[in-house]
Amino acid sequence: AQRVTQPEKLLSVFKGAPVELKCNYSYSGSPELFWYVQYSRQRLQLLLRHISRESIKGFTADLNKGETSFHLKKPFAQEEDSAMYYCALSAGGGGNKLTFGTGTQLKVEL
Amino acid sequence: EAGVVQSPRYKIIEKKQPVAFWCNPISGHNTLYWYLQNLGQGPELLIRYENEEAVDDSQLPKDRFSAERLKGVDSTLKIQPAELGDSAVYLCASSEGGDTQYFGPGTRLTVL
Repeated sequence: AQRVTQPEKLLSVFKGAPVELKCNYSYSGSPELFWYVQYSRQRLQLLLRHISRESIKGFTADLNKGETSFHLKKPFAQEEDSAMYYCALSAGGGGNKLTFGTGTQLKVEL
Repeated sequence: EAGVVQSPRYKIIEKKQPVAFWCNPISGHNTLYWYLQNLGQGPELLIRYENEEAVDDSQLPKDRFSAERLKGVDSTLKIQPAELGDSAVYLCASSEGGDTQYFGPGTRLTVL
């Protein structure tokens, strides 16, 4: 069985401070990991996926297979980063379902 | 590009009544997903279609839930009869060949 854990329901940081949203997973195979974001009154959208190794909106995430983690990081938080962030796992193979964590609400304060 | 379209956006019904949700995926996307999102939780897959075939419906409560995607394009998810515990957001997503999943805005169901 696959499982995704996001230990923080809410993370509050000041503008300009570093951000780290934690994500741990449990899966016996080789997973694909994703971060999805939902801004207020908008639909869920992909932020980044580990196989792309991209930096999107200043966010990065590195897959650590030893620690089974995929933490999302940004060096300097911006007010527009305030949103709900979901970590998700796919068991691999085309079209497989996503298993989501419970999400972390990021609030960036001025 | 309109993205994934879902209708209705909101639905309020009394328990034991039937309800249906409609989803139109992004044009050309052969894979369609229905997810259920309870308050304070992440989305959970109910059913996945490859074209018109349901390839993963293991999480769909088949005693009251049904879904169809007759022509391999749009899809309908039905609940009959609805229960109080079905109050949630129902999300539809689509992807092309198993690539990135794009989500619709969801239908928020309230069962009274």
